[in-house]
Amino acid sequence: DAGVIQSPRHEVTEMGQEVTLRCKPISGHDYLFWYRQTMMRGLELLIYFNNNVPIDDSGMPEDRFSAKMPNASFSTLKIQPSEPRDSAVYFCASSIGGSSYEQYFGPGTRLTVT
Amino acid sequence: AQSVTQLGSHVSVSEGALVLLRCNYSSSVPPYLFWYVQYPNQGLQLLLKYTSAATLVKGINGFEAEFKKSETSFHLTKPSAHMSDAAEYFCAVIGGGATNKLIFGTGTLLAVQP
Repeated sequence: DAGVIQSPRHEVTEMGQEVTLRCKPISGHDYLFWYRQTMMRGLELLIYFNNNVPIDDSGMPEDRFSAKMPNASFSTLKIQPSEPRDSAVYFCASSIGGSSYEQYFGPGTRLTVT
Repeated sequence: AQSVTQLGSHVSVSEGALVLLRCNYSSSVPPYLFWYVQYPNQGLQLLLKYTSAATLVKGINGFEAEFKKSETSFHLTKPSAHMSDAAEYFCAVIGGGATNKLIFGTGTLLAVQP
């Protein structure tokens, strides 16, 4: 299995631009999670989906952030407009349902907003 | 609400010495507990998990953790540190209720000195 795939691995953009991060979960996993990691705030859960439906988006920082999961094999996290304080590493993770619970993480997207 | 506390944001050991990384949990229900490792510029990787079976859990790379209900602890140990163990380690607990959400600790950065 290829594991969780994220693209791009690195993104540099200017303040005000739209940024879209992409994630392909492990096939057969029905949970998908988006995290943000910074030195100051550590690892934060932004949103998670079950069977393509958003379950908990309480971690989404503000309306500039949105996430979608149009099908079981693809999800996006969009920031519009981006700001320098959004600079972070964004991770996607997936897990299988039932009582397994362990999450499998992608390699992350390092976002720099100048 | 479920939470975990990792004592010590930085731990330094000599190569060949015992590794002990501390994690205490707070949970209103029998917890599912996890340790993850993050190597530089990579995503998180599952080391081991406790799911209310054996209290001593063995993981990858020679790590193990012992669940102690009386102490609400789930400390991670390795008898002999290797240079390749240098990484950041995260303790996590399932969020409780009907959720697959993981609550992560703040992480402990392990340095291994030659």
